[in-house]
Amino acid sequence: DIQMTQSPSSLSASIGDRVTITCRASQSVSVYLNWYLQKPGKAPKLLIYAASSLQSGVPSRFSGSGSGTDFTLTISSLQPEDFATYYCQQSYSTPYSFGQGTKLEIK
Amino acid sequence: QVQLQESGPGLMKPSETLSLTCTVSGGSISSYYWSWIRQPPGKGLEWIGYIHNSGSTNYNPSLKSRVTMSIDTSKNHFSLKLSSVTAADTAVYFCARVGRGYVNFDYWGQGTLVTVSS
Repeated sequence: DIQMTQSPSSLSASIGDRVTITCRASQSVSVYLNWYLQKPGKAPKLLIYAASSLQSGVPSRFSGSGSGTDFTLTISSLQPEDFATYYCQQSYSTPYSFGQGTKLEIK
Repeated sequence: QVQLQESGPGLMKPSETLSLTCTVSGGSISSYYWSWIRQPPGKGLEWIGYIHNSGSTNYNPSLKSRVTMSIDTSKNHFSLKLSSVTAADTAVYFCARVGRGYVNFDYWGQGTLVTVSS
């Protein structure tokens, strides 16, 4: 099974900051890497698929990069609605697996 | 706009069989894969498995011995059964559509909390 590790586990930032979250896979997943945002009590929402493709309707301040085992999610200028928990997920092979999450909090 | 809605019991006793249904509206259930994902309170996400309208399934090996998924295209819904539940199965259960091309979960239900307690 492929293990996904995110860093950091939590992060404090301010409105307007540029933020980067990292995801590392235990083996290569090519570009089969997705990012989700989850707010308390809600379902996750797809932000980025195939490592760097922006899901329809997602603001352009979100971007993703990487391939193989190392990936990043960047938010170029934090907005109030961005404070949530972020998850990466590999879809290279089953069982599909998620990172443990990165909680983004307001500083 | 595709919408998914989970339904099922909120409270169960150990050793019972969990049964959940996900009803899809705003689109056809055909030609897509559909997944179940769960999240224990305060914890991360765990993929349970997927089913295709052809009946093809793929389950997480960690749950495979206890999981059965089915699909009813006439009712536009799919279902999850998880047998012999324990407190460790307490979680919010989400159903989700598997997007085409690069696999991802592009539409999700709101989730339903299932609590296992004696």
